[in-house]
Amino acid sequence: SAVISQKPSRDICQRGTSLTIQCQVDSQVTMMFWYRQQPGQSLTLIATANQGSEATYESGFVIDKFPISRPNLTFSTLTVSNMSPEDSSIYLCSVDRSGYGYTFGSGTRLTVV
Amino acid sequence: GDSVTQMEGPVTLSEEAFLTINCTYTATGYPSLFWYVQYPGEGLQLLLKATKADDKGSNKGFEATYRKETTSFHLEKGSVQVSDSAVYFCALSEQDYKLSFGAGTTVTVRA
Repeated sequence: SAVISQKPSRDICQRGTSLTIQCQVDSQVTMMFWYRQQPGQSLTLIATANQGSEATYESGFVIDKFPISRPNLTFSTLTVSNMSPEDSSIYLCSVDRSGYGYTFGSGTRLTVV
Repeated sequence: GDSVTQMEGPVTLSEEAFLTINCTYTATGYPSLFWYVQYPGEGLQLLLKATKADDKGSNKGFEATYRKETTSFHLEKGSVQVSDSAVYFCALSEQDYKLSFGAGTTVTVRA
């Protein structure tokens, strides 16, 4: 299965600031996915990122709050903008390689103070 | 839309006990089904999967069978160990490749 490097692994940020999370995959993939896992909760899909096009956001998530870049087939970033304590979560990227299932990065644990 | 309903936890067991975590789904088509595991302080790992009806996924002593007639994908293990303590997530994916997750079940195995 694909190997995903995600960074930072954790961060503590001041409210009102922004954090960019990076996700690097060891092979080319068409789609990359960004998820959020709020404390004690399940995972919720934020958006799907395809190379060469704008990300597709799920209901409740908007580009101004969670801008995503996908400059090539192995890399993506998710920015959490104008953060508030409610944004404190684990953010994970994921890819699907046919036949192997979905692989997740190790996650970014974000705390907003 | 697609949804996954998973047995609520937490579940506490003794070592060598039998574990079952129920999972049922709602989907418009024929989804692929997954069980993911999240060990304490770690990321999400794929435990097993099944892509069509009657398929059985298995890994690390865990099994789950894709039951189309009951829209279920229950996870089972015959003899759990302390190292199986984790949060288990049932999930499905349809043609749009997006994963829909259940709420997760926390399992604690006592020595």
